[in-house]
Amino acid sequence: DQQVKQNSPSLSVQEGRISILNCDYTNSMFDYFLWYKKYPAEGPTFLISISSIKDKNEDGRFTVFLNKSAKHLSLHIVPSQPGDSAVYFCAASGGSGGSNYKLTFGKGTLLTVNP
Amino acid sequence: GAGVSQSPSNKVTEKGKDVELRCDPISGHTALYWYRQSLGQGLEFLIYFQGNSAPDKSGLPSDRFSAERTGGSVSTLTIQRTQQEDSAVYLCASSLVPGAYTEAFFGQGTRLTVV
Repeated sequence: DQQVKQNSPSLSVQEGRISILNCDYTNSMFDYFLWYKKYPAEGPTFLISISSIKDKNEDGRFTVFLNKSAKHLSLHIVPSQPGDSAVYFCAASGGSGGSNYKLTFGKGTLLTVNP
Repeated sequence: GAGVSQSPSNKVTEKGKDVELRCDPISGHTALYWYRQSLGQGLEFLIYFQGNSAPDKSGLPSDRFSAERTGGSVSTLTIQRTQQEDSAVYLCASSLVPGAYTEAFFGQGTRLTVV
């Protein structure tokens, strides 16, 4: 049973346009959400996060939106750059038992930004 | 070192053999995590260490999997009697203190192939 779902395996956008990556979750106990970026042959690197008490968090070109009622979050990248081409993982933590150290990941979305 | 280091980068082993995967976390990081990513899947939590103790081993898939951490530093993940379904990228991460709110830094992973 997948608790974090990224339904788009891939996304292709033009340089300078907006990239929107989506993520849905099923566990209502999740209270912290993160996005990781992964280049080939490298480990994932932290990109941006959001707590469930917020609905938006912005860091430069990256903004994460959280819709708790819909159990949906999205990552917006604007403007997109070719160097943003990577696999993006959505992750969530929280729940009972104090398991706020354990991340539950989606399967990832491969973003390709075309020059 | 500057980051989380994992060795080997790649490991090909015959079915039934034992393998050991090593993780050198960032110096001073008390929390250490093992995840694995099977083909087409997201990262799957395996085990979490706080210092040398493993409060949560719930993600280990079977009793063929074990892990230890010594000196609050290096960790070894051991898989006994490897099976083909163990083939995956095994990722180690460390964080200064436990918790998703503290950024976890990932190593580049060990790609294990069981033939």
